[in-house]
Amino acid sequence: EDKVVQSPLSLVVHEGDTVTLNCSYEVTNFRSLLWYKQEKKAPTFLFMLTSSGIEKKSGRLSSILDKKELFSILNITATQTGDSAVYLCAVVYNQGGKLIFGQGTELSVKP
Amino acid sequence: DAGVIQSPRHEVTEMGQEVTLRCKPISGHDYLFWYRQTMMRGLELLIYFNNNVPIDDSGMPEDRFSAKMPNASFSTLKIQPSEPRDSAVYFCASSFGGTSQYFGPGTRLLVL
Repeated sequence: EDKVVQSPLSLVVHEGDTVTLNCSYEVTNFRSLLWYKQEKKAPTFLFMLTSSGIEKKSGRLSSILDKKELFSILNITATQTGDSAVYLCAVVYNQGGKLIFGQGTELSVKP
Repeated sequence: DAGVIQSPRHEVTEMGQEVTLRCKPISGHDYLFWYRQTMMRGLELLIYFNNNVPIDDSGMPEDRFSAKMPNASFSTLKIQPSEPRDSAVYFCASSFGGTSQYFGPGTRLLVL
């Protein structure tokens, strides 16, 4: 059965901390892995990863994919309260772009 | 670019009524997706279209749900008859080439 598993499910840190969120997957015909941030509204797109070992970076956020071990990590450095959200990992896994989401990691950044 | 547009943003209806949710994808995108999100089940893919053609509707919960895409700029998700367990946030998303998806603001549906 195709699945995407995120860990931890929730995380509480203080401003300035660095966090690492994990996403592992088991799917057939993997195409790409996506990271989203969801606050109290729709998910917003962060990164798309298709190749192993190539880090994608945007400000304090970065992500990398390991297609051999079937996982990805999302790093956030120098966290801020505005980073508090649910971070969703999703895998596109067939020619038609079908996508399956993980359960999400709820990050809470305390001042 | 206006992004993905959904309407209505909120819908409250009584059990047994028909509900129609609407979506306008980003211009030029060739994939359109309908999702449902609840606390219990998270984000679930209901159906998706490529070039207005339904590709996979295996996520549609039952025959009460139907979706159409009559043209490249409009899609509907219909629930008839609605039930309280259909209460959720329904998202529409679009993409180009079936990869990065951009979500609309969602329709929050409450069935009493």
